[in-house]
Amino acid sequence: GAGVSQSPSNKVTEKGKDVELRCDPISGHTALYWYRQSLGQGLEFLIYFQGNSAPDKSGLPSDRFSAERTGGSVSTLTIQRTQQEDSAVYLCASSPPAGKNIQYFGAGTRLSVL
Amino acid sequence: AQSVAQPEDQVNVAEGNPLTVKCTYSVSGNPYLFWYVQYPNRGLQFLLKYITGDNLVKGSYGFEAEFNKSQTSFHLKKPSALVSDSALYFCAVSSPGTGNTPLVFGKGTRLSVIA
Repeated sequence: GAGVSQSPSNKVTEKGKDVELRCDPISGHTALYWYRQSLGQGLEFLIYFQGNSAPDKSGLPSDRFSAERTGGSVSTLTIQRTQQEDSAVYLCASSPPAGKNIQYFGAGTRLSVL
Repeated sequence: AQSVAQPEDQVNVAEGNPLTVKCTYSVSGNPYLFWYVQYPNRGLQFLLKYITGDNLVKGSYGFEAEFNKSQTSFHLKKPSALVSDSALYFCAVSSPGTGNTPLVFGKGTRLSVIA
């Protein structure tokens, strides 16, 4: 079946602009996660959803970052007033219920802020 | 707080030789442990997990990992490396709980298998 789908695959934006990154999880997966992968920084947790609610937003680096999930499916990560340090690959993952926390990842969105 | 250490940024091994990618962890209670692999311009792919039971876990593509509670380690191994195994490998940990929770990842180890 289809895997986790992320769009766009690449996004180039100017400093100060807002961007929206989209994640379409595997059908039936109730948990959805956003991570950020920066050069030399490994993977950094941002936010996670169980259904439409976000029990853990502790990883969001500033109030410029927000995310929502609707219908227990698609999620959007929004970065307002982008800064150069926001440049990274943003990865989305999803897990099925009772999946023993195995997470299935999308290919990511590479964000470049000029 | 949970943490994962991958002490080697880079591991080089000759094709056909055994490989080991090291991982140590710190977590309260009994951990869930994972290995993921990332090929260029791709997302992470699940390789294997340890939840409970046998300390030697077998996963995809001939990889295995050994859980060692006393040393808090979960090293990834393969008896005979292939050039196609060259990729970035991540170890991850989560606390067991009532469902899915975010993973804490190590910084990754780049494996190069030389023909």
